[in-house]
Amino acid sequence: AQSVSQHNHHVILSEAASLELGCNYSYGGTVNLFWYVQYPGQHLQLLLKYFSGDPLVKGIKGFEAEFIKSKFSFNLRKPSVQWSDTAEYFCAVVGSNTGKLIFGQGTTLQVKP
Amino acid sequence: DTAVSQTPKYLVTQMGNDKSIKCEQNLGHDTMYWYKQDSKKFLKIMFSYNNKELIINETVPNRFSPKSPDKAHLNLHINSLELGDSAVYFCASSPRGNAEAFFGQGTRLTVV
Repeated sequence: AQSVSQHNHHVILSEAASLELGCNYSYGGTVNLFWYVQYPGQHLQLLLKYFSGDPLVKGIKGFEAEFIKSKFSFNLRKPSVQWSDTAEYFCAVVGSNTGKLIFGQGTTLQVKP
Repeated sequence: DTAVSQTPKYLVTQMGNDKSIKCEQNLGHDTMYWYKQDSKKFLKIMFSYNNKELIINETVPNRFSPKSPDKAHLNLHINSLELGDSAVYFCASSPRGNAEAFFGQGTRLTVV
């Protein structure tokens, strides 16, 4: 069975601080990986995705993530956060054979101005 | 032009009632999903359809019945609503089962 775990439930940072959110998955085969963001009161939007190739992927709004296959991880990073990055962040995974897109528990990011 | 649209956006109803949420996507995608987001923001997959066929049913009570009249629509009907059904329900679509999903704006269901 596939599963996704996000390590940080609530992160508080000051503006300009660097961000790293952890994500680990469990699945016995090939996966596609995603990070989504949900701003307060809004729907989920795709930040970035990994299917294959370069394990370092760049997304929108200055976010990037690195896929480390040996660690089953897909951590999200941003060198310098802004107040407008305050939101809920979700890691998601779909097994190539399952067609089942499942989400981690989410991380609440609060950026203080 | 909204890619994935859900109606209604808000739904307040009494326990025991039956209600429906509609979802339409104009992206030409083959796969559609329903997710439930609880008060702790946890997103749980409920159903997945591919070209009108049910692919995934995640141990959802049979009071919940999805219907897909065509691949652009996936509606969710809920019978005998309970307090615990209160949540935000998101519809999503994807070009195929292992690709990224595009989400609707959500329907906030409140059962009183």
